[in-house]
Order: sequence, then C-alpha cells, then structure tokens
Amino acid sequence: KNEVEQSPQNLTAQEGEFITINCSYSVGISALHWLQQHPGGGIVSLFMLSSGKKKHGRLIATINIQEKHSSLHITASHPRDSAVYICAAPFGTSGSRLTFGEGTQLTVNP
Amino acid sequence: NAGVMQNPRHLVRRRGQEARLRCSPMKGHSHVYWYRQLPEEGLKFMVYLQKENIIDESGMPKERFSAEFPKEGPSILRIQQVVRGDSAAYFCASSPASHNEQFFGPGTRLTVL
Repeated sequence: KNEVEQSPQNLTAQEGEFITINCSYSVGISALHWLQQHPGGGIVSLFMLSSGKKKHGRLIATINIQEKHSSLHITASHPRDSAVYICAAPFGTSGSRLTFGEGTQLTVNP
Repeated sequence: NAGVMQNPRHLVRRRGQEARLRCSPMKGHSHVYWYRQLPEEGLKFMVYLQKENIIDESGMPKERFSAEFPKEGPSILRIQQVVRGDSAAYFCASSPASHNEQFFGPGTRLTVL
C-alpha cells in the first residue's frame, strides 16, 4: 500500500523558533512534494525534491531517498507561517498521482 | 503569467442537480490533475488528464463523476446528480509534463443542499 505519513499532526511554536516537520513514505519514489495550505484554503507548492536539500528563504527541505524520509524546516518562524504543511508523494504508473500526508497544522504565536 | 484558474470559486447545488467545475491550467501546461478535499479531511487524488486523454482515473468514484480536458478550453470536472456527500473543496493543479512540480488553483468549494 502506498502511504505517506507526517508528524507531528499539530505543532505550536513561539515566534523565532526553529520548526521541523517530518514525512515518511512507504515505497521508492522519484521525488517528494511539500505544500502549504493557507487558512483560507489555497494551496501553494513549496518544494519538489528528489535528492539532498533545497532552500527558499527561511524554508529548507531535505530528503533521504534510502531511508524514505523527508523533513521541512522553518528557521526564525513567524506568525505568518501559520498554515497546514502537507507532504505528497507521486505513486502510480504515471508517476504523477500524488498521495498526500494528513498535514501538519502549524501555529506560530507572537 | 497567470496561475491556475478555477471557476466558480463557490458553487451551491441542490441534491440531484449537476455540478460543472472548470480548470484552466497555467500557460504552457498540458497536464491537469483534480483533487478533492472533504471537510476536515486530507487531499485525495481523483484524476490525471493530458490534452484530450485521461491518463489515470483511479481516484474517481465509479458513478456520477467524469472529467475531460478538450483540445481547446478548460478541463471540466462534472458531477451528475449531486448528493450531500459531494460537498467538498475541489482543487485542480497543472504541470508542463509528468513527474514535474504541480501548481494548484484556488479551488472550487461545492456545497450541496
């Protein structure tokens, strides 16, 4: 069964803290996606990575293909980072059918 | 370059009516994906289309749901004879090719009365 699991489900932090969200998946994939869903419901693609590490501003994503594990880090967290963060893996013969984790609800307090 | 467009943003239907959701991919993108998010649940894949072709419909309910992506015009997700359980947010995403980053539209929130 193709599965994607995230932890933690909920995360509350104080402004400025370093945040880590973890994602593990069950079978080999070509790449992993990290998405952000805003409180209003809109979804933004943050990263798609197949190896190593990617950085965009205060966001860093890493992946270990052998261990089937990825992490999303937020440095110097800010209340505007409050959102649901979702990892997704492409399964299926087309390699494009995304299976999503349950999401991590992040709340950053001022 | 406009992003992925979806319309309508909100749609209200009574039980038994038809719902038509439209998705215009980003310019240059020929791959479209539809996902559904039921209330308080995660996103679930429904269907993956390329121009004029359905590539993967393994997530589509067997009855009442259909999708198309014609040569000209937007992709359409059609739900016939809607029921209350169809109430959800429907998102489409597009990419320039398979195995690429997917860009999401703002979603259509369907409410069935």
